[in-house]
Amino acid sequence: KAGVTQTPRYLIKTRGQQVTLSCSPISGHRSVSWYQQTPGQGLQFLFEYFSETQRNKGNFPGRFSGRQFSNSRSEMNVSTLELGDSALYLCASSLDDKQPQHFGDGTRLSIL
Amino acid sequence: AQKITQTQPGMFVQEKEAVTLDCTYDTSDPSYGLFWYKQPSSGEMIFLIYQGSYDQQNATEGRYSLNFQKARKSANLVISASQLGDSAMYFCAMREGLGYGGSQGNLIFGKGTKLSVKP
Repeated sequence: KAGVTQTPRYLIKTRGQQVTLSCSPISGHRSVSWYQQTPGQGLQFLFEYFSETQRNKGNFPGRFSGRQFSNSRSEMNVSTLELGDSALYLCASSLDDKQPQHFGDGTRLSIL
Repeated sequence: AQKITQTQPGMFVQEKEAVTLDCTYDTSDPSYGLFWYKQPSSGEMIFLIYQGSYDQQNATEGRYSLNFQKARKSANLVISASQLGDSAMYFCAMREGLGYGGSQGNLIFGKGTKLSVKP
């Protein structure tokens, strides 16, 4: 069974640009969550999608948005990039709330 | 107040010995789950073990066991017979509000403990 797939693995952007990250969950998993990991703030929850609906949202500005498609694949978009957005972005999927979340390898985003 | 506290930023253990990584949590929700993840330097998060708040027995998965003390709100990870490949960051995480049908789908993570296994 394939795991969670995130693309791209690495991304370099400049301030002011926008970026879209993609996540394909494990087959059958309908819940997809996104996390940001930085050395200073650690792992922080961005948002969760379930059956194409945003179910839960963390404390991030509106520049961070996401969506989920009918096949459960999810995308995360960050607009007007700032230097502080440099981070590892992790996507995780789970079968339901009582099951563990399984993570992808992450997308490492660097802002110049 | 932090919901997940990992007080050991870094730890060393000799190969083949056991090691305990500490985790305390704070929640007023009676229904929650506790998770441990391992993150090698390559970045991927690997699920290790899960303990539900209503589970009567401590969880075990191979060389990993969870020392769950509900009254003290602690969920320490015990790794037996450490191996060089165990060197990594270890994160304790909690998910609240399970079983109500409502959504608390996100994990709350601690700051992590960096474990180094010495040969």
